[in-house]
Amino acid sequence: NAGVTQTPKFQVLKTGQSMTLQCAQDMNHEYMSWYRQDPGMGLRLIHYSVGAGITDQGEVPNGYNVSRSTTEDFPLRLLSAAPSQTSVYFCASNPWAQGLGETQYFGPGTRLLVL
Amino acid sequence: EDKVVQSPLSLVVHEGDTVTLNCSYEVTNFRSLLWYKQEKKAPTFLFMLTSSGIEKKSGRLSSILDKKELFSILNITATQTGDSAIYLCAVEGFLGFGNEKLTFGTGTRLTIIP
Repeated sequence: NAGVTQTPKFQVLKTGQSMTLQCAQDMNHEYMSWYRQDPGMGLRLIHYSVGAGITDQGEVPNGYNVSRSTTEDFPLRLLSAAPSQTSVYFCASNPWAQGLGETQYFGPGTRLLVL
Repeated sequence: EDKVVQSPLSLVVHEGDTVTLNCSYEVTNFRSLLWYKQEKKAPTFLFMLTSSGIEKKSGRLSSILDKKELFSILNITATQTGDSAIYLCAVEGFLGFGNEKLTFGTGTRLTIIP
């Protein structure tokens, strides 16, 4: 198993550009989520999904869109990048059998810089 | 809104010292509290706590939960330079099927001086 993969590892964008951060998992997990981590802050939930076709907002959803057309993939779209979206983005997946608990698998992260 | 507060924000100690990291929380329908260690990349899981008063141990690390006072501590004894990391506390809230989330604290940055 490759686990949770994220691409790209690093990206520089100009203000107003759009891009998609890719996340894929090969563990057949139902629950997937996106977090951002800023300096001096913990992880903040952006969006999450409990299965294909189902998504919901987290704590900081503004400026981001998601979709879940397959169990494996959960891309995060920035529609019009802003400097405030400079951050490290982590995707996570979870089998969600009995709660999220100790079975949260994190991807390696994408470092995004918006100029 | 769920909330997790960790203290201290930063801690610098010498190798061999013992440290205690704190985590207090407010969460709707508590399900579990988790501790993670984060070095230069993604967080790695340390402990999951669901019941008060039951200590979880892994080598020099241990953790305990107090559900009445809504806090948890993470202890590290005989610290080593490899313990230098950010330690994150997270709580899982359950609002119904399909509405479960992890809320993270800001983390404690621990630095061990040789």
